[in-house]
Amino acid sequence: NAGVTQTPKFRVLKTGQSMTLLCAQDMNHEYMYWYRQDPGMGLRLIHYSVGEGTTAKGEVPDGYNVSRLKKQNFLLGLESAAPSQTSVYFCASSYPPGRGDTGELFFGEGSRLTVL
Amino acid sequence: AQSVAQPEDQVNVAEGNPLTVKCTYSVSGNPYLFWYVQYPNRGLQFLLKYITGDNLVKGSYGFEAEFNKSQTSFHLKKPSALVSDSALYFCAVRAQSGGSYIPTFGRGTSLIVHP
Repeated sequence: NAGVTQTPKFRVLKTGQSMTLLCAQDMNHEYMYWYRQDPGMGLRLIHYSVGEGTTAKGEVPDGYNVSRLKKQNFLLGLESAAPSQTSVYFCASSYPPGRGDTGELFFGEGSRLTVL
Repeated sequence: AQSVAQPEDQVNVAEGNPLTVKCTYSVSGNPYLFWYVQYPNRGLQFLLKYITGDNLVKGSYGFEAEFNKSQTSFHLKKPSALVSDSALYFCAVRAQSGGSYIPTFGRGTSLIVHP
C-alpha cells in the first residue's frame, strides 16, 4: 500500500527554469493538497483540489500552477523558478466531509527543491 | 476565518517526565481537531483527532489530547516522554460544517526529549 507518493524527492534548479512535481495517491481520495514547509513558517497551503478536474488557490499560490487531470494525480508546476521557492513541498490527500470520514490528511514524504 | 496557534516554538522535557504541547484554535461552529507528528526528513503522520464525544482523545504512541471548548484548546499530552518522541508536532483545525473544509495548520512545535 503506497499511500501518497511524491516524485522527485530532490531537485536543484537554476533561476528561471521550470519543473513539475508529481503527487500520486492510491486511496481513492477526492481531496488533494500541495503545501510548502519553510523554517518558522509551518505548513502553508499552495493549491488544493476537491475532485478530478478542479483546482483552487490556497494561501500562497503565486508562482505555482496545478492540474488534476486524473483523480489519483495532482501536479504542481513552477513555470519560472525563483530562489524564494526553495522549500520542502508536501502533497497530501483526504476524503471529503460527509462520507463518514473526518478528513484527516495523508502526507507524502516530501520533495526538497533548491533554486539557485 | 479559522486559525491555529501553537504558542511554543520549542518544548524541552526530560525523558520519563510528562509532556504537554499546547494548541489553541479559532473556527466557526464545532471543530474537527488534529495532531500530526513529523520526524526529521519525513512527511507528517496523523497522531489523533477530536470529532465529538469524550474530551480526552487517545492516539498513537501513547499520546492523548484534551479538548476544552471553553478555552478553545486542544493540548497534546503524554504521561512519560521518550527520547524517540523528539519531533515536530503540528496542530490542525477544520470546521465540521459550513465554512472551509480545508484544514488550517499551526506553525509547529519542536519537542526535544533529553535523556
